Amino acid sequence: EIVLTQSPTTMAASPGEKVTLTCRASSSVSYMHWYQQRSGTSPKLWIYETSKLASGVPNRFSGSGSGTSYSLTINSMETEDAATYYCQQGSSYPPTFGAGTKLELK
Amino acid sequence: QVQLQQSGAELVKPGSSVKISCKASGYTFTSYDMHWIKQQPGNGLEWIGWIYPGNGNTKYNQKFNGKATLTADKSSSTAYMQLSSLTSEDSAVYFCARLVHGRGGSGYFDYWGQGVMVTVSS
Repeated sequence: EIVLTQSPTTMAASPGEKVTLTCRASSSVSYMHWYQQRSGTSPKLWIYETSKLASGVPNRFSGSGSGTSYSLTINSMETEDAATYYCQQGSSYPPTFGAGTKLELK
Repeated sequence: QVQLQQSGAELVKPGSSVKISCKASGYTFTSYDMHWIKQQPGNGLEWIGWIYPGNGNTKYNQKFNGKATLTADKSSSTAYMQLSSLTSEDSAVYFCARLVHGRGGSGYFDYWGQGVMVTVSS
């Protein structure tokens, strides 16, 4: 199975700061998908097919990457962005998730 | 609007079984795979398996073979997951999620249930 490694595990950002989360795959995948999960709630689709924003996601978010290296970027951190973000690959069975990056507000 | 409504929290004894449900609405239930995903406290997400309600086909993560059994009732648009021979390792939140087959065959989960907390304790 494809292992996804996210970094950092935890980070804190100040309002207005640019944030980049990374996800590396143990083998090449065609696309990466990202989910946001706030405490006590279910994950929400955030970015799909590497760079497409899910409905309602603010355009300060963006996604990029190819092959084994992908990233999620927040152009300017806002309070509501504090959450855990998971990457997921669906190119190869079984679908796998990264362990998540917990993003906190500084 | 698409909704996946899961059943309530369960407290069950070691060695027993539990069956949790996921009622779908707002779309054609038989046209999308339904997947199940496990999340242990403070941990990440682990894929369990899927069922295609249109024909009942299933596929499981090898790790959950014999542990999880997926079924679906087309008449009520409800998917079920039964977990058997429960141990403390099965204590977790279980989500159902609808899969979209995206570009290049890369599937992603566009809608999730609210999750069911299963606690295994004597």
